[in-house]
Order: sequence, then structure tokens, then C-alpha cells
Amino acid sequence: GAVVSQHPSWVICKSGTSVKIECRSLDFQATTMFWYRQFPKQSLMLMATSNEGSKATYEQGVEKDKFLINHASLTLSTLTVTSAHPEDSSFYICSAPGQGGNTIYFGEGSWLTVV
Amino acid sequence: QKEVEQNSGPLSVPEGAIASLNCTYSDRGSQSFFWYRQYSGKSPELIMFIYSNGDKEDGRFTAQLNKASQYVSLLIRDSQPSDSATYLCAVNTRGQFYFGTGTSLTVIP
Repeated sequence: GAVVSQHPSWVICKSGTSVKIECRSLDFQATTMFWYRQFPKQSLMLMATSNEGSKATYEQGVEKDKFLINHASLTLSTLTVTSAHPEDSSFYICSAPGQGGNTIYFGEGSWLTVV
Repeated sequence: QKEVEQNSGPLSVPEGAIASLNCTYSDRGSQSFFWYRQYSGKSPELIMFIYSNGDKEDGRFTAQLNKASQYVSLLIRDSQPSDSATYLCAVNTRGQFYFGTGTSLTVIP
């Protein structure tokens, strides 16, 4: 079964509103989680690294004020897309290193459509 | 130079053939290597990982690692149409994970 759970799987929101996506590690603790964005037929793009108890580390070109990341517990990280616009429509995926950090498990992904 | 490089493809093979996917990495300190499969519109799923030089087999999949050449490959035997997907190579270098851009594979019935 899934070791990383992501919710919601699909979300449609109006332009200008905010959307929150949750990423949970199941049965293990994840001090670090990763958030990716993927546009259709393109490769994964790492957006940020979420760190439990501290600020997220954002990749170059990713607006930290627009993509708010909170890693409040050892099993939950959230990504909030603030003031969403149609160009933010994408597939958002989280991942977490497994026990021992020897592999990466991905969540199921969240499709965001901004209308 | 990118940490991990893959040929983006597309790679097409007939059903029943062997599909060979290749990946090179830049850092000799890389410790472990992973292959993920991603179907269109879905999240990547782990196929297999390899740490040591040589071959590792799991069903129809074989991962091959050559650390001297900084090269890792994935062979898919008896390819099936259901194997059509994008295959991502990932490398763990000192605790950091780096992904290739993926190779698109199409298995033609």
C-alpha cells in the first residue's frame, strides 16, 4: 500500500483563491519531504524541500510567498498555493525519503485546475 | 553538467522485445540508484533499486550498475504494452536525491 498519502487528488478552484494540498507519511516519520510540480508531458520539477520544524528550502525561481509550505509534524507537510492563477494549474507531487533515507516514496499526486 | 542524465526518447520497442533504458550520473560519490516508472497522469512508482556493481534482477526487470563508468541501466524483458510509460532514473548522492528527466517508452503491440 501507499507509504505516502496525498490529498486531495483533484481540486478545481477559482482564480485568486488559495488551495491547500496535504502530504502525509504513513507508518514512518519524515523530517524532510519534497514538493514537485509537473506540467503535462514534462519532467518533474523540484519546487522545494520541506523541513520539519523549520523553514522550507525553495528552488531557484519558485516564489516562496506564493507556494507556502508548512511541515508542522513528522508526518505531515502542506503546500498552499496562494492567489492561484490559471498558469498554476499543474500536477503537484510530494515525496518523502523512506526509513533510513535509502529511497524516495511518492504521494499519489494532486491535480490542480485553476479556472 | 546535470547530476543525472537520461535520453528523453521516445523509445519504441515491439511487444516481447527487450527494452533498454540508460542513465549516467556525474558524481562518483553517488551511493544508490533507483528506477521509477511513471504512467501518464500518475505519480512515479519505484520499480527497483541497486547499490552494488553488477546486475540485479526482479521478474522481467534487470538493473545494471557500473560505477567505474558512472552508468546505470534498466532492462525490461518480454516488454508488454502495459510497460509503456516514462522511466525515471534517480541517484542518491550523500543523502540528496537527484532525478533524471525520464525516458518515454512505448511498447508496440
